[in-house]
Amino acid sequence: AQSVTQPDIHITVSEGASLELRCNYSYGATPYLFWYVQSPGQGLQLLLKYFSGDTLVQGIKGFEAEFKRSQSSFNLRKPSVHWSDAAEYFCAVAARQAGTALIFGKGTTLSVSS
Amino acid sequence: NAGVMQNPRHLVRRRGQEARLRCSPMKGHSHVYWYRQLPEEGLKFMVYLQKENIIDESGMPKERFSAEFPKEGPSILRIQQVVRGDSAAYFCASSRQGVQQGTQYFGPGTRLTVL
Repeated sequence: AQSVTQPDIHITVSEGASLELRCNYSYGATPYLFWYVQSPGQGLQLLLKYFSGDTLVQGIKGFEAEFKRSQSSFNLRKPSVHWSDAAEYFCAVAARQAGTALIFGKGTTLSVSS
Repeated sequence: NAGVMQNPRHLVRRRGQEARLRCSPMKGHSHVYWYRQLPEEGLKFMVYLQKENIIDESGMPKERFSAEFPKEGPSILRIQQVVRGDSAAYFCASSRQGVQQGTQYFGPGTRLTVL
């Protein structure tokens, strides 16, 4: 069955420190891959996506993610975290065809300490 | 270009009442998706619609839930005879046909509370 696993439910990082959020997927073929961020009480904002090509993708707000086919992973990274990055982060996958629903992981809540 | 619009943002219903949630997709988008987010869980797909057609409703409960996306106007998610377990955040997303397939843009959500 298709699934997305985010192993870390909650992570706390000091402001200015680096961040890596993990995401592993189980899928028949290489899917489209996404990271979304959700601030409390808000909707989801697309951070970045991978469709094809360079396996290191750059997103908004200084985030990047690396697709590793051999590990079925799509980890999200940021070199220096800001207090405003505190939010919930969701990894998602979709099949490579139009109009396919996203399958989400359960999310990782990021807290930033000063 | 305005984003995906959802209303109301918050909805309170008593058990047995009907809840009607609206979603206006981004301009130029003809695909609409509804997702439900329960506390402590990620988003779960409910239904995918194109104008006047339900394409995939595999995630929709078989009873009490229905969705439509008419030729004119917003998409509607309707929940009849609501129960406490329906309390959740309901998100709508839209995508553009044929361009950057798979990219869905989300609205701010409707938070439904059933008393």
